[in-house]
Amino acid sequence: EAQVTQNPRYLITVTGKKLTVTCSQNMNHEYMSWYRQDPGLGLRQIYYSMNVEVTDKGDVPEGYKVSRKEKRNFPLILESPSPNQTSLYFCASSPPGGGSYNEQFFGPGTRLTVL
Amino acid sequence: KQEVTQIPAALSVPEGENLVLNCSFTDSAIYNLQWFRQDPGKGLTSLLLIQSSQREQTSGRLNASLDKSSGRSTLYIAASQPGDSATYLCAVMNSGGYQKVTFGTGTKLQVIP
Repeated sequence: EAQVTQNPRYLITVTGKKLTVTCSQNMNHEYMSWYRQDPGLGLRQIYYSMNVEVTDKGDVPEGYKVSRKEKRNFPLILESPSPNQTSLYFCASSPPGGGSYNEQFFGPGTRLTVL
Repeated sequence: KQEVTQIPAALSVPEGENLVLNCSFTDSAIYNLQWFRQDPGKGLTSLLLIQSSQREQTSGRLNASLDKSSGRSTLYIAASQPGDSATYLCAVMNSGGYQKVTFGTGTKLQVIP
């Protein structure tokens, strides 16, 4: 089944304890992206990647790192999480098409709480 | 910086009504615009994608239009049903050498039986 998977789905952690949220897609998509969703602020893009070893900042990259060593995986790393990073996180991927990118497919989300 | 606005923020309609959701964006240099629905506590489900060269897309009771020059898109839902109740989001992918995506804050739709 074509899908975007995220792990873990739920995570409660403490301030300063490094964590990684994994994202994997099995559709051979080139474009991958991370978003966070917060009440009243909507979905905001954290980082995106247009292909292996090509990443760029979205609108809210502070406090996050990403890497794209393989096409299928795009992990989100929080080196030193803080309570303001408590949020619902979504990973998405998209195939290329005609010089553009086509529809984004979203993972199920990861609910992160930082105490 | 791209800004995406969705009006109204919330909408309540009786079942069977046709309705229009609006999405406005400030920078017309876009690759595409995508409409999603999100149910409470759930992920995003893609509804329609319109490429920048297209004017509209249709899927079942849904029709989305795009007017790049005026920075507007509409999502038309025909014969609304209670199962259409959800939050509807539009997302714009920018062009110009970088493919940032900007979401609107959504329209929360309630269809009353």
